[in-house]
Amino acid sequence: LAKTTQPISMDSYEGQEVNITCSHNNIATNDYITWYQQFPSQGPRFIIQGYKTKVTNEVASLFIPADRKSSTLSLPRVSLSDTAVYYCLVGLFNKFYFGSGTKLNVKP
Amino acid sequence: KAGVTQTPRYLIKTRGQQVTLSCSPISGHRSVSWYQQTPGQGLQFLFEYFSETQRNKGNFPGRFSGRQFSNSRSEMNVSTLELGDSALYLCASSLSTGNDGYTFGSGTRLTVV
Repeated sequence: LAKTTQPISMDSYEGQEVNITCSHNNIATNDYITWYQQFPSQGPRFIIQGYKTKVTNEVASLFIPADRKSSTLSLPRVSLSDTAVYYCLVGLFNKFYFGSGTKLNVKP
Repeated sequence: KAGVTQTPRYLIKTRGQQVTLSCSPISGHRSVSWYQQTPGQGLQFLFEYFSETQRNKGNFPGRFSGRQFSNSRSEMNVSTLELGDSALYLCASSLSTGNDGYTFGSGTRLTVV
């Protein structure tokens, strides 16, 4: 099994940068690490995906160290609408494992 | 363009019955994966289909099965339903297999009574 660990919850204020880390000590060497956002009553929504080092898109950055045993999702200048649950997804032996999710609460 | 469509949105079944859930992927996406989401176990991988073939399978009993049609639409079947099968079942499509960046549907909420 690929064990993934995320903080259960995090609080932040509008305008701050938020970093959420997922530990995954046993994942496929050739598979992506992907992060998703989920709002209540909706399916998860793709945020960002990377294999190693740093990836940035219009909404987030993803930092992956060389050993790939963790990954950090960075959300710059969060707003109230970023209040959601964030999941990492990794693969191992052709099975895919979501983290338990981090509930981010953004306060005004 | 249309997203991933799952039907029905809600379903109530009795223990022992069977159920079939449907998923229409994004046009052009050939891979369809299914996940079960529960408060206790979180998001768990059920299986993945690509070009009508099951490519990968999670750790669920044989009561859970699926198939994919030539138009990439997929169905998931659960036989002999148990109370513990109550969950949100999510379908996700992607261009290729593996962890390739899914687009998820809104899910089917199954309640077993």
